[in-house]
Amino acid sequence: EIVVTQSPATLSVSPGERATLSCRASQSVSSNLAWYQQKPGQVPRLLIYGASTRATGIPARFSGSGSGTEFTLTISSLQSEDFAVYYCQQYNNWPLTFGGGTKVEIK
Amino acid sequence: QGQLVESGGGVLQPGRSLRLSCAASEFTFSSFPMNWVRQAPGKGLEWVAHIAYDGINKFYADSVKGRFTISKDKSKNTLYLQVSSLRPEDMAVYYCARDLKEGINAFDMWGQGTMVTVSS
Repeated sequence: EIVVTQSPATLSVSPGERATLSCRASQSVSSNLAWYQQKPGQVPRLLIYGASTRATGIPARFSGSGSGTEFTLTISSLQSEDFAVYYCQQYNNWPLTFGGGTKVEIK
Repeated sequence: QGQLVESGGGVLQPGRSLRLSCAASEFTFSSFPMNWVRQAPGKGLEWVAHIAYDGINKFYADSVKGRFTISKDKSKNTLYLQVSSLRPEDMAVYYCARDLKEGINAFDMWGQGTMVTVSS
């Protein structure tokens, strides 16, 4: 099983600032990595797939990068609605696995 | 656009069984691979099971293999998860989720979830 590790667990950021979230896989997943956003009481929303392709309707301030084992989600200028928990997920191998999440909170 | 609506959750004792359902609408259900993903209270996401668009290939998390069975009924546009031998660690909100497309197991559509509580 591929273990996916996210860091940091919590990220404190001021509105308007840049947020950088990391995701590491225990072995190469090529570019088969997705990012999701989940707000309290809501279902997850797909942000990025293929490591860097934004899903339909996702604002350009969200960008993904990386390949192999190291990935990054960047939110260029945090808006109030972006404070949430973010998960990465690999889909290169079965079983599919999620990281433990990064909570982005208001500083 | 499309919609997924889960049902079938409830409060059950350890060792019991239940069947979760996910009704799909407003998209071509038969063309998409589908999944179940769960989230224990206050915890992260855990993928549970996958079924190919044609219902032939199925994959499971190790934690549920041999106890859970995923299936789909194209005539009813419904996805199922048969859950047996429930354990306390199975307590979670269960979401059905659609693959973006064949070969891309990223989930672009999610239901609202159904809660399974395991309590003696």
